[in-house]
Amino acid sequence: KAGVTQTPRYLIKTRGQQVTLSCSPISGHRSVSWYQQTPGQGLQFLFEYFSETQRNKGNFPGRFSGRQFSNSRSEMNVSTLELGDSALYLCASSPTLAGGTDTQYFGPGTRLTVL
Amino acid sequence: QQQVKQSPQSLIVQKGGISIINCAYENTAFDYFPWYQQFPGKGPALLIAIRPDVSEKKEGRFTISFNKSAKQFSLHIMDSQPGDSATYFCAASLISGGYQKVTFGIGTKLQVIP
Repeated sequence: KAGVTQTPRYLIKTRGQQVTLSCSPISGHRSVSWYQQTPGQGLQFLFEYFSETQRNKGNFPGRFSGRQFSNSRSEMNVSTLELGDSALYLCASSPTLAGGTDTQYFGPGTRLTVL
Repeated sequence: QQQVKQSPQSLIVQKGGISIINCAYENTAFDYFPWYQQFPGKGPALLIAIRPDVSEKKEGRFTISFNKSAKQFSLHIMDSQPGDSATYFCAASLISGGYQKVTFGIGTKLQVIP
């Protein structure tokens, strides 16, 4: 079974621009979560989607948004990029909602650099 | 506010030695404690997990020790190997508003030297 895929793997943007990241979950998985990973803050939860609905949200500004499509693929958008948005953005999928006994399977991440 | 405190942030261990990573939590509502292993260029992968009704869980060379009263849990890697060199994250999850929420520790970069 193919794992979680994320595209693109690397992105370089400038301040003020916007970016869209894509995540394809493991086939059959309906939950997709997004995380921001930085050396100083570790893994920070952004949001979770299940059946095209945002079910859970972390403490990030409204510039960070996402959506999920009927095939469970998800996109994350960051508008008006700031230098501090430079990070590895990870997507994780699970059969149902995150946590509990449902293991989250992570993709390789998208490395975003904001100049 | 960091709800899961992880230490140390970096660790160097000789091959064959024991690697120990500690985590402490504050919220007693946490009810699931997984550990993740992340290699460079890869996403985190579940390594081992424990629930608070168990004090220890062992899988191969990896053991979680859990102290509910102290609100602490730790990962022990026995007979550490260079292939274990990776970043390790502890995590804790709970149900809030009807949904599970997962909080990660800041991570420990482990280097096992030959």
